[in-house]
Amino acid sequence: GENVEQHPSTLSVQEGDSAVIKCTYSDSASNYFPWYKQELGKRPQLIIDIRSNVGEKKDQRIAVTLNKTAKHFSLHITETQPEDSAVYFCAASATGNEKLTFGTGTRLTIIP
Amino acid sequence: DADVTQTPRNRITKTGKRIMLECSQTKGHDRMYWYRQDPGLGLQLIYYSFDVKDINKGEISDGYSVSRQAQAKFSLSLESAIPNQTALYFCATSSSGANVLTFGAGSRLTVL
Repeated sequence: GENVEQHPSTLSVQEGDSAVIKCTYSDSASNYFPWYKQELGKRPQLIIDIRSNVGEKKDQRIAVTLNKTAKHFSLHITETQPEDSAVYFCAASATGNEKLTFGTGTRLTIIP
Repeated sequence: DADVTQTPRNRITKTGKRIMLECSQTKGHDRMYWYRQDPGLGLQLIYYSFDVKDINKGEISDGYSVSRQAQAKFSLSLESAIPNQTALYFCATSSSGANVLTFGAGSRLTVL
């Protein structure tokens, strides 16, 4: 089955700086890669996703890049703000096996 | 608002007791999932159901069972709870063809 590895497990960033979280996946059939954000005490919520037919997707201050050859994808947050502090999870799934496999999460702390 | 509702939100029980966690949704989604969240381990899939008559094991199904009573209801049972089942449990839903998960608020289970 699919295996998703996520790094780093914790990340502290000065407010206004950028943050990057990286994930690798094992199943070359995976073609859908979402990112979920979980604020303290809350439920995970989708913030951005990308499919394998594109290499990059942006939504305001967040972007995701995908390298299918290397089987890795990354979340980029620019101009970080205190409300970006949360745990972020990457995930992967494949058409025909549409259950998501999650990474172990990254706890992002924005330092004011 | 259409949502995913989990009950109970918190439960403390003793080793050997039978526990049921319930999930109901008003989103009209056909797919439902149970995930377990432990610190540092991310979200691990316990069971999932793509339709009322469809039940599938996930990564960590041992010690758990599920019932899909209706399209809107999916319950998780621990027949004989043990301390290492202490965790935060999330129910989630999605619609076929769209792999975006909507999570419930979570059920925190403590087994003494």
